[in-house]
Amino acid sequence: AQSVTQPDIHITVSEGASLELRCNYSYGATPYLFWYVQSPGQGLQLLLKYFSGDTLVQGIKGFEAEFKRSQSSFNLRKPSVHWSDAAEYFCAVGDLSGGYQKVTFGTGTKLQVIP
Amino acid sequence: DADVTQTPRNRITKTGKRIMLECSQTKGHDRMYWYRQDPGLGLRLIYYSFDVKDINKGEISDGYSVSRQAQAKFSLSLESAIPNQTALYFCATSDFEATGELFFGEGSRLTVL
Repeated sequence: AQSVTQPDIHITVSEGASLELRCNYSYGATPYLFWYVQSPGQGLQLLLKYFSGDTLVQGIKGFEAEFKRSQSSFNLRKPSVHWSDAAEYFCAVGDLSGGYQKVTFGTGTKLQVIP
Repeated sequence: DADVTQTPRNRITKTGKRIMLECSQTKGHDRMYWYRQDPGLGLRLIYYSFDVKDINKGEISDGYSVSRQAQAKFSLSLESAIPNQTALYFCATSDFEATGELFFGEGSRLTVL
């Protein structure tokens, strides 16, 4: 069965500092990988996704993520964090076999941005 | 207006009451989902529907039921609410064939006393 691990429950960074959120997945085949962001009181919004091709993917709001098959990882990065990036971030893996889109989410990482 | 609308946004109820959470979408997607979010547990799938006649259980369907009234409407019911169903519930849609992305509503916060 597919699974996603986000080892960091809570991360605090200073505004302007770089950010890396970790994500490890377990999946038998080539995974479909996603990062979603949830701002307070809001639903989840897609930041970026990886299906195939270039292992470094660019997303919205200046985020990027790198797929590393050898490490089963899909870490999210941003070179300079803004206060508006404070939110909860979810990594997810999709199983698209048999025509069924099953998406399994990690437990989330809550990002706090300090001045 | 939001593409995926959930009502109510907040609801407080008592143990044993029947509750319905409603979801409507204007994205024209065939696939609709109900997820439950609990702190530290992420999102877990309750039910999903590929079209009006196709409804399937997710990983935590016990105590819940759903109804797909139309392509655009997907309701979640708790027949007899219990306190451990206190959670944030999300409806989502997808256009799997195009992008694989899930589009979420803003959530319905349910408290069962």
